[in-house]
Amino acid sequence: DAGITQSPRHKVTETGTPVTLRCHQTENHRYMYWYRQDPGHGLRLIHYSYGVKDTDKGEVSDGYSVSRSKTEDFLLTLESATSSQTSVYFCAISAQGNEQYFGPGTRLTVT
Amino acid sequence: DQQVKQNSPSLSVQEGRISILNCDYTNSMFDYFLWYKKYPAEGPTFLISISSIKDKNEDGRFTVFLNKSAKHLSLHIVPSQPGDSAVYFCAAREYGNKLVFGAGTILRVKS
Repeated sequence: DAGITQSPRHKVTETGTPVTLRCHQTENHRYMYWYRQDPGHGLRLIHYSYGVKDTDKGEVSDGYSVSRSKTEDFLLTLESATSSQTSVYFCAISAQGNEQYFGPGTRLTVT
Repeated sequence: DQQVKQNSPSLSVQEGRISILNCDYTNSMFDYFLWYKKYPAEGPTFLISISSIKDKNEDGRFTVFLNKSAKHLSLHIVPSQPGDSAVYFCAAREYGNKLVFGAGTILRVKS
């Protein structure tokens, strides 16, 4: 299994609060991705990174920001959480941009 | 508008028989296609992939077929086993090494 961890694994937060999710890899892969999974939508890309300090937006980036200051860590921040951001969030990594390997997920509930 | 579509939300198959999961896409610029399997409360796991220059790739019980003219992808599992019961996602790679996912198909293999 690829060495990817996500923290926290579960979080409940209130509307309007900031939330940061962490993805950590031990594979030294160049590419890192954040997705959200919702019923009927599969996995949708939020943001991705193609190197340290190099990030770009995905399909559903509004309300989210990311940072990557080290190869191994990719942080996803919900600046002011809303109920529509209740979801399961997955981090993925890729060496060459082909296969992506996913972390175990973070279940976020915004009340 | 969804660029990758899995039109069957679910599929039920008898153990030992063939499972065929289908996927259609609209973007002719996709150059690489992948299948992922997902169990509840876990991250998706990579199953098999195929480049757009090929029409078939086989790995054990799993075979992926690509029909570029029809923009159609299928995954065959032979023989199906109860442990194959999961959600299967089709994905396609676009520019920037990003993946676009279908909504998923729930496969149930009955023993």
